[in-house]
Amino acid sequence: DAKTTQPPSMDCAEGRAANLPCNHSTISGNEYVYWYRQIHSQGPQYIIHGLKNNETNEMASLIITEDRKSSTLILPHATLRDTAVYYCIVRVGQGAQKLVFGQGTRLTINP
Amino acid sequence: NAGVTQTPKFRILKIGQSMTLQCTQDMNHNYMYWYRQDPGMGLKLIYYSVGAGITDKGEVPNGYNVSRSTTEDFPLRLELAAPSQTSVYFCASSLTGFGAFFGQGTRLTVV
Repeated sequence: DAKTTQPPSMDCAEGRAANLPCNHSTISGNEYVYWYRQIHSQGPQYIIHGLKNNETNEMASLIITEDRKSSTLILPHATLRDTAVYYCIVRVGQGAQKLVFGQGTRLTINP
Repeated sequence: NAGVTQTPKFRILKIGQSMTLQCTQDMNHNYMYWYRQDPGMGLKLIYYSVGAGITDKGEVPNGYNVSRSTTEDFPLRLELAAPSQTSVYFCASSLTGFGAFFGQGTRLTVV
């Protein structure tokens, strides 16, 4: 699976959009981009994933660049409850095996 | 629908004791995973399974054993507990190509 690079920490004001970047310059054509988050000491939570088209669900939007070398997770109206560590993971969609987490981005939402 | 259930939630072990951390899922997921998370650190993959009867090592398998006799259950065995195994353990499951669901964790202290 391709490696990802994320900033170690970010801050965002409550009510504003939080944009979390992820670089995956060695991504292969059959690899998907997945996002998870971990709030304090809870189990990680799946957010969204995509291959090459932008994706949106009730939690967030995922924007993948045309060359697929980077992506951005967007939380449109961040709340204090969105304070968490966010992980960007790249893995093959079919036949994927290991699910390995990197260091992620610690997002702090400020009132 | 219970999702991923881990038992126990908390446990204190003495050095050299053995125990089994239980994990069960009711979503008919083929993939299951075990992670450990030390205080202030990221998740490390211990073992994973792609289906009943099939298991493989992750990043930090030493000191642990697993089995997967059914689709639903994926127990993690600690044979000779050591203080270095003090950690929070998370179990997760997923279907091929989809996001993983995590349990709420087992907090283990070895004294």
